[in-house]
Amino acid sequence: LAKTTQPISMDSYEGQEVNITCSHNNIATNDYITWYQQFPSQGPRFIIQGYKTKVTNEVASLFIPADRKSSTLSLPRVSLSDTAVYYCLVIDGGSQGNLIFGKGTKLSVKP
Amino acid sequence: EAQVTQNPRYLITVTGKKLTVTCSQNMNHEYMSWYRQDPGLGLRQIYYSMNVEVTDKGDVPEGYKVSRKEKRNFPLILESPSPNQTSLYFCASSFRTGSYEQYFGPGTRLTVT
Repeated sequence: LAKTTQPISMDSYEGQEVNITCSHNNIATNDYITWYQQFPSQGPRFIIQGYKTKVTNEVASLFIPADRKSSTLSLPRVSLSDTAVYYCLVIDGGSQGNLIFGKGTKLSVKP
Repeated sequence: EAQVTQNPRYLITVTGKKLTVTCSQNMNHEYMSWYRQDPGLGLRQIYYSMNVEVTDKGDVPEGYKVSRKEKRNFPLILESPSPNQTSLYFCASSFRTGSYEQYFGPGTRLTVT
């Protein structure tokens, strides 16, 4: 299982772009990168996943460099409602059932 | 509506009194999993199941049991709860092992006194 490292917390202001970077130095060929968002007292919610280069959806963008040893979740023009914990996971696309969420990054968006 | 349900949502119990937290999904998912969440420790996986009758330990399985007799249900059993099992518990499911999108239940807040 690839171990991930993310900042414990980040602060931002409404309207700014926020980039959260995750390190996963020992990512394997079969692994892909996913990000989840969690609000207090709720279960995590899937945001985005990718294997390499750039992926964009209606919520966020995910940037993955060629070596895939890190990834960056980009949230455009955040609002107060984006205040949450964001988790980076590396998932084995094969048969590995053990998932490691880690401690995540607590994003605080201020007015 | 596609969902993962957990019961009870809140439970206060005493040390040593066996309890079961139920989890059910209506999406015909093969993979199901249990997590606990504690302040400062993030989400930690307790047990997972890749299909009916197939279960395996996650990172923190001690003090817990699970069973997967039917595809839709994955109960978490605490045979003899202790105060250090006071936590917020989440059940999750996904289409298959290795699927990137897991669907989480609303959580069960357990207090063991």
